Amino acid sequence: GDSVTQMEGPVTLSEEAFLTINCTYTATGYPSLFWYVQYPGEGLQLLLKATKADDKGSNKGFEATYRKETTSFHLEKGSVQVSDSAVYFCALTELDAGGTSYGKLTFGQGTILTVHP
Amino acid sequence: EAGVTQSPTHLIKTRGQQATLRCSPISGHTSVYWYQQALGLGLQFLLWYDEGEERNRGNFPPRFSGRQFPNYSSELNVNALELEDSALYLCASSWTGQETQYFGPGTRLLVL
Repeated sequence: GDSVTQMEGPVTLSEEAFLTINCTYTATGYPSLFWYVQYPGEGLQLLLKATKADDKGSNKGFEATYRKETTSFHLEKGSVQVSDSAVYFCALTELDAGGTSYGKLTFGQGTILTVHP
Repeated sequence: EAGVTQSPTHLIKTRGQQATLRCSPISGHTSVYWYQQALGLGLQFLLWYDEGEERNRGNFPPRFSGRQFPNYSSELNVNALELEDSALYLCASSWTGQETQYFGPGTRLLVL
């Protein structure tokens, strides 16, 4: 089946540092790709998405580009803030051979980000 | 616009009991999804309901079941609770045929 692999965490950065969280995937067809963020004690919030190759998703200073040739969707932010401390999940939708969604998101294991002042 | 809501926020049960978790989707959404987030196991897909029908099911035993009501709200039932069912249960919703899922805050189930 489809799968998502995220870089091992936790990641600890100082405020204003550059952030990269790596995400690679294995999938049949052409899934949509997502980044979700989970703040302590809360559910998941959609951060950004991309639905086809070379699409760039962006939100709140975060960006990720759908790279079909490297099957990657790395999350980046130029200058992190303390308020960005959270768990970040990369995910994809699984599609059947005809391109219809199974309705299922497959998640990576999550990356804990801690930003210090 | 109200987001996905779930109730209760916390639930404590003992082994062998049944748990019922509830979810109300975003207004206009007809699909509801359930996920389990157990410590150390990540997020696992449980169930997908759309227009009142179960459309897909994850790799969970039959004691995990649910339904979707005519107003598109949903409930998840877990029978014969086991200690390893302790987890955060997340509900998400979307428009039919749309891939983007919006999540609720979750119900934290503790089985003693």
